[in-house]
Amino acid sequence: AQSVTQLDSQVPVFEEAPVELRCNYSSSVSVYLFWYVQYPNQGLQLLLKYLSGSTLVESINGFEAEFNKSQTSFHLRKPSVHISDTAEYFCAVRNAGGTSYGKLTFGQGTILTVHP
Amino acid sequence: DTGVSQNPRHKITKRGQNVTFRCDPISEHNRLYWYRQTLGQGPEFLTYFQNEAQLEKSRLLSDRFSAERPKGSFSTLEIQRTEQGDSAMYLCASSLGTGDYNEQFFGPGTRLTVL
Repeated sequence: AQSVTQLDSQVPVFEEAPVELRCNYSSSVSVYLFWYVQYPNQGLQLLLKYLSGSTLVESINGFEAEFNKSQTSFHLRKPSVHISDTAEYFCAVRNAGGTSYGKLTFGQGTILTVHP
Repeated sequence: DTGVSQNPRHKITKRGQNVTFRCDPISEHNRLYWYRQTLGQGPEFLTYFQNEAQLEKSRLLSDRFSAERPKGSFSTLEIQRTEQGDSAMYLCASSLGTGDYNEQFFGPGTRLTVL
């Protein structure tokens, strides 16, 4: 069985400040890792993913996450946030490899609120 | 719009009634997933279709829940004898399964409120 823990349910920050949203996972097999974002009244959107290779992955809007296998973590960071980054962020995992149907296990979500 | 669509977007029903939701995946996506998201929680997997075959069901999917994908295109999720605990957002996602990793694209969800 897999599980994902997002350590902070809410993270308030001021605009242009750095932010880190924490994610830890538990799995007995190799995993792929994801961050999804959900803006108000919109569906889930893939923000970034780790499949293999470089442990540091980046999104097009300045977010990055680093896969740390020894600490089983995949924390999301942004050096300078904007008001438009206000949303709920979900960390998710799935089994790596072809034996999985691709079902995702999600964390509880972190609401990021950026204040002016 | 070529994304995943779900109907209705909102459904209010009385306890004991049956409800049915529809999901139209992205055209040619052969994999379809249903998830449920309750307030303050992340989405939880319910069931998975590959084409018209239902290949996996979560233990969350009690006997009152049934899902179909009759022609490998759209899918329906029916809940019989609804209970207040069924109140949640029901999400549908689809992907094109031609390799190990295939991105899941999510619909906007159907929000169910059981009174």
